[in-house]
Amino acid sequence: EIVLTQSPGTLSLSPGDRGTLACRASQSVRSSYVAWYQHKPGQAPRLLMYGASSRASGIPDRFSGSGSGTDFTLTISRLEPEDFAIYYCHVYHSSQRALGGGTKVEIK
Amino acid sequence: QVQLVQSGAEAKKPGASVKVSCETSGYTFINYGINWLRQAPGQGLEWMGWISPYNADTKHPHKFQGRVTLTTDTSTSTAYMELRSLSSEDTAVYYCARNPPIRGHYDSSGYWDYWGQGTLVTVSS
Repeated sequence: EIVLTQSPGTLSLSPGDRGTLACRASQSVRSSYVAWYQHKPGQAPRLLMYGASSRASGIPDRFSGSGSGTDFTLTISRLEPEDFAIYYCHVYHSSQRALGGGTKVEIK
Repeated sequence: QVQLVQSGAEAKKPGASVKVSCETSGYTFINYGINWLRQAPGQGLEWMGWISPYNADTKHPHKFQGRVTLTTDTSTSTAYMELRSLSSEDTAVYYCARNPPIRGHYDSSGYWDYWGQGTLVTVSS
């Protein structure tokens, strides 16, 4: 069973800062089947990235994803006020399915 | 445009069952899998299962096997999630989410590209 560990648990940043969120898998992820979601209170989660580095439709280019094997990263180049939320990573191969525990990006 | 619209909030007693619907539109229903997830208060997202509207195949994590039933009605493009033997630990917001069939209709692999708005299920005596 694959386990995803997201770090840090909470990231305190100011608008305009760069945010780097990490997701580490307990085993190598097949085909880089990693997605990232943004979740705000009272709203449905929103797909940001899939295939580790492909941006979903309508997602601003300040969001980028990278990584392979066991280590993956979501980067927000310049935080906008609407980016403060919880972010989840997700491995979506049917034989390795897992969700990370989330990283909360809060206003410093 | 793609839409997934879920049924309204439910209040249930311990031991009861709940059935949540997810009505879809804007795409060909049988071509995409439907997943169900939940978020309990103060907790992260938890995946509950997947169904292929194409062939009604389902997958569940062990935790929910025997307690969750996923179904679809292709005539109305609607998916359903029934959870039985409710306890207070099942109090959560429940979501449906669509996944593209990246490895075909018989495989549950896939990211979740469109989501329902969520349904609050409260279990209390």
